[in-house]
Amino acid sequence: SQELEQSPQSLIVQEGKNLTINCTSSKTLYGLYWYKQKYGEGLIFLMMLQKGGEEKSHEKITAKLDEKKQQSSLHITASQPSHAGIYLCGAGHSGGYQKVTFGTGTKLQVIP
Amino acid sequence: DAGVTQSPTHLIKTRGQQVTLRCSPKSGHDTVSWYQQALGQGPQFIFQYYEEEERQRGNFPDRFSGHQFPNYSSELNVNALLLGDSALYLCASSQRGGSYNSPLHFGNGTRLTVT
Repeated sequence: SQELEQSPQSLIVQEGKNLTINCTSSKTLYGLYWYKQKYGEGLIFLMMLQKGGEEKSHEKITAKLDEKKQQSSLHITASQPSHAGIYLCGAGHSGGYQKVTFGTGTKLQVIP
Repeated sequence: DAGVTQSPTHLIKTRGQQVTLRCSPKSGHDTVSWYQQALGQGPQFIFQYYEEEERQRGNFPDRFSGHQFPNYSSELNVNALLLGDSALYLCASSQRGGSYNSPLHFGNGTRLTVT
């Protein structure tokens, strides 16, 4: 089974609508990271969360970490076509050296 | 400030051949991790290099090997290529020996096709 489960797997929204992507871990979290990827390209770092209850925002994207539930959510407000892409959550599950595993991603399409 | 650079961008190889992929980390970064991303999947951790040594390894066979040089750049070698090795290979760098406080920064990847 996957250590990180993302939902939904894909999302199609009208421009201007809000949306939320969820990431749930089956193991203890040592850091939770959100990335965006355009097809066939590298991952672009969005945000890092490390403490329970932590919330970070960048432009219209907000991410929260619920450490007790081992979950994180990524919320986009007033979506734009530029938000389209694949959103990936990554997490560290072991103490010590960094080893980040990733979910399978959420594919977002924004219709103008 | 140059980010993570990878070469080549695309590569086509025949089954059974060997391939070498290269990565230069972001300036100031000392740790390099390699990932394999199959179509429609999330990146899978191959291994991580720090101080020129392989420090952690994912669930990949010994056909996958690597190296880190004194200038922190790294190579990924894959021997005896299989069709299933076709994927996007991503290099990521980070600081402070790969502390969880330092997020991974990724290159644009090398697209490997095995025929």
